[in-house]
Amino acid sequence: RKEVEQDPGPFNVPEGATVAFNCTYSNSASQSFFWYRQDCRKEPKLLMSVYSSGNEDGRFTAQLNRASQYISLLIRDSKLSDSATYLCVVNWGAKGKLIFGQGTTLQVKP
Amino acid sequence: DGGITQSPKYLFRKEGQNVTLSCEQNLNHDAMYWYRQDPGQGLRLIYYSQIVNDFQKGDIAEGYSVSREKKESFPLTVTSAQKNPTAFYLCASSSPDGYTFGSGTRLTVV
Repeated sequence: RKEVEQDPGPFNVPEGATVAFNCTYSNSASQSFFWYRQDCRKEPKLLMSVYSSGNEDGRFTAQLNRASQYISLLIRDSKLSDSATYLCVVNWGAKGKLIFGQGTTLQVKP
Repeated sequence: DGGITQSPKYLFRKEGQNVTLSCEQNLNHDAMYWYRQDPGQGLRLIYYSQIVNDFQKGDIAEGYSVSREKKESFPLTVTSAQKNPTAFYLCASSSPDGYTFGSGTRLTVV
């Protein structure tokens, strides 16, 4: 089983749609969880951290389910500018090593 | 403004040559990392350093070497032993507050 696994997509959705991405992780001792956004040929940038209680930032909602070892990202009212690859990232213990999923590609169409 | 600077942005290497990728940060972060990204894949950890004069192998260290003589600098050498070096290389640094990525170096073997 991969350490961090995502559905690679691509997800092709119309503007205004709601889309959800899931990510599973294998290490139950993982401590921190993040969603990063990566535009084509650019570096990843932090979209949001994922907290146990769930957290929301505008149109974006992240949730963590420790018992089932998955995290999710929900995007409401999709915009064309949301088109990117979304990387699920897990902090691997005390040494601070980040483990990246392979990314899920989202294409929002007019 | 604080940040991470990677250079060069694009690099072409002949087979059999060693090349060095530069990574400099002025964020006063202790930890620094090198990742490699191949098309359609997530980032894979090459080397990381938690403190000056100390570094550890990541998941795919073969064919690479690093040094950490200064807190600000963490250069990566891609040696001729690396059989498939064409990829996008990303340097990152971290503090308890989070991670910051450089803009990456795209290495191509010609």
